[in-house]
Amino acid sequence: KNEVEQSPQNLTAQEGEFITINCSYSVGISALHWLQQHPGGGIVSLFMLSSGKKKHGRLIATINIQEKHSSLHITASHPRDSAVYICAVVNHGGSQGNLIFGKGTKLSVKP
Amino acid sequence: NAGVTQTPKFQVLKTGQSMTLQCAQDMNHEYMSWYRQDPGMGLRLIHYSVGAGITDQGEVPNGYNVSRSTTEDFPLRLLSAAPSQTSVYFCASSYGTGNGYTFGSGTRLTVV
Repeated sequence: KNEVEQSPQNLTAQEGEFITINCSYSVGISALHWLQQHPGGGIVSLFMLSSGKKKHGRLIATINIQEKHSSLHITASHPRDSAVYICAVVNHGGSQGNLIFGKGTKLSVKP
Repeated sequence: NAGVTQTPKFQVLKTGQSMTLQCAQDMNHEYMSWYRQDPGMGLRLIHYSVGAGITDQGEVPNGYNVSRSTTEDFPLRLLSAAPSQTSVYFCASSYGTGNGYTFGSGTRLTVV
């Protein structure tokens, strides 16, 4: 079983829809990251969370440490949000900076 | 512009050849790491460094060497390329585990 599981694997939405991507993990963590990878390959860090909730523009990330679960929400989705969204955790007690990655969620937003 | 610079962006090697993937950052980050990304799999850690002169192995280190002689540079060396090393390679840096990561733009490597 993978230590970091994301769902769904693929997601197609219409422009304007509210989108939720989920991440569950099975290890103790010190932080969780949400990353965005656009076609063409570049990876951008969106959020780093250790508790609670963070918001940046139309993006909201939440984490529930007790339930070992995080969600990434996109409000008023737009075709430019089309990308692969990757959840990664920092294993508590693991090697410094050792990120464990989910396999990603491929989002396609149709106009 | 501040960030992580990876070179080359694309490379084709023949089996048995060696090469070095370059990674440089200008943010004075202590932590640097190399990952490979393969279809259907998450990124996997190859090697990492927590500061100049300190390196350690990640999940998939075989066939790769690293060194960290300066804070800025963290090259990844393929000793004798194999088709199984065909992948996209990313370098990343951070101030540490409690901070965000900055990724390079990636190197797409094909070994034939």
